[in-house]
Parts: sequence; C-alpha cells; structure tokens
Amino acid sequence: EIVMTQSPATLSVSPGERATLSCRASQSVSSNLAWYQQKPGQAPRLLIYGASTRATGIPARFSGSGSGTEFTLTISSLQSEDFAVYYCQQYNNWPPSYTFGQGTKLEIK
Amino acid sequence: QVQLQESGPGLVKPSQTLSLTCTVSGGSISSGSYYWSWIRQPAGKGLEWIGRIYTSGSTNYNPSLKSRVTISVDTSKNQFSLKLSSVTAADTAVYYCAREWVVVNNWFDPWGQGTLVTVSS
Repeated sequence: EIVMTQSPATLSVSPGERATLSCRASQSVSSNLAWYQQKPGQAPRLLIYGASTRATGIPARFSGSGSGTEFTLTISSLQSEDFAVYYCQQYNNWPPSYTFGQGTKLEIK
Repeated sequence: QVQLQESGPGLVKPSQTLSLTCTVSGGSISSGSYYWSWIRQPAGKGLEWIGRIYTSGSTNYNPSLKSRVTISVDTSKNQFSLKLSSVTAADTAVYYCAREWVVVNNWFDPWGQGTLVTVSS
C-alpha cells in the first residue's frame, strides 16, 4: 500500500499570507495526485487533480505542483474561507486502490 | 450538474450488516467513463476509500475491507449501494459516495453530503 504523509499536521497562517502544504508518497505516484478541502460538517471538495490542474470553479490562488513522491499545495493569499483541513489523495493502478494523507489543518494565526 | 445523496440506517448493531444507497441525480449513472465509489471518515479522523464499481458491475475494494464489502449498482434506479458485513464500533463513521473520474489521472468529484452511521447495540 502506498502511504501518503502530509506535513505539517497543523499550519497557522495569517489572512493574506501564503500557505504551503506538503504531501509525500511512499513510492512514486507519477502525477496521479489530488487535493481536497474539507470544512467542518461538509464533504471534501476537489481543488486540484493531476497534481497541478485546478478543478472547475477553484480560485487561481490555489496551485498544485510536484510529481513522483513530493507534492505541494500553495494558497497564495489566504482568505477567511480557506481555513479548513486539506487532504491529498493518490491512486495506485495495481491493485486498484486509493489512499489519502492524514490531512493538514490550516488555521488562522 | 450531477449530485449524489446517501441514504440508509443511521444506527446498526454490532455483527450486523451496514447497508447504504447512493442516488445519483442530474445525470445518468451509466454515462461517461466514471467509477462510483464509497469513502468513509471516522469522527475527527482522515478519509478511507472503501471500494468502487463501474456500471458494468466490475468492482474493486480496499484490501483491508475486501472480505466484508459488497458494492452493487442498479442502473435502472440510477443508484449504487454498499454493504459492509460483521460491523464493529470501528466501522462508525460518516460514509460518503462519490463519482470517480478516470481520465489519465483519478479523482473524486462530486461527493455526496455524507451520512453518519453509528455501530452500537
């Protein structure tokens, strides 16, 4: 099983500043990496797929990068609505399976 | 746009079978190259993929749950379902259904709102 490790577990950032979240895979997942945002009491919302492609309707301040085993989600200028938990997700072709990182909680500093 | 909605009992007794249904609206479950997945999240914890089904009936399951999981599809009702047998308190979680895109890469969008299932006597 491919293990996804996110860091840090909690990130405290002030509104208007940049946030950088990391996700590491235990083996290469190529670019098969997605990022989700989850707010309390809500389902996860897709932000990024294919490591760097923004989903429909996602603001340009969200960007994803990386390939292989190291990935980054960057939020360029934090808005109040961005404070949430963020998860990365990988897909393994064989056997077909998905694993998620444990999440990074982005909180207001 | 496509929307998903989970339904089923919110309380299941230990050793019994958890049964949930996901109803797809705003589009046909049979259209496009999508899989349909179940994902769960214990309170305060992360996300765990349970398994998926294609409209042909082909399934894949999380190896850690495979012996207890069955996912089925009813295209006439635009629904797919989850059965998890021999449940314990560790199966208490919010259960989500989601559409899985399979286009070079794989991701989930959209998700249902989720339904809380508690395993307790």
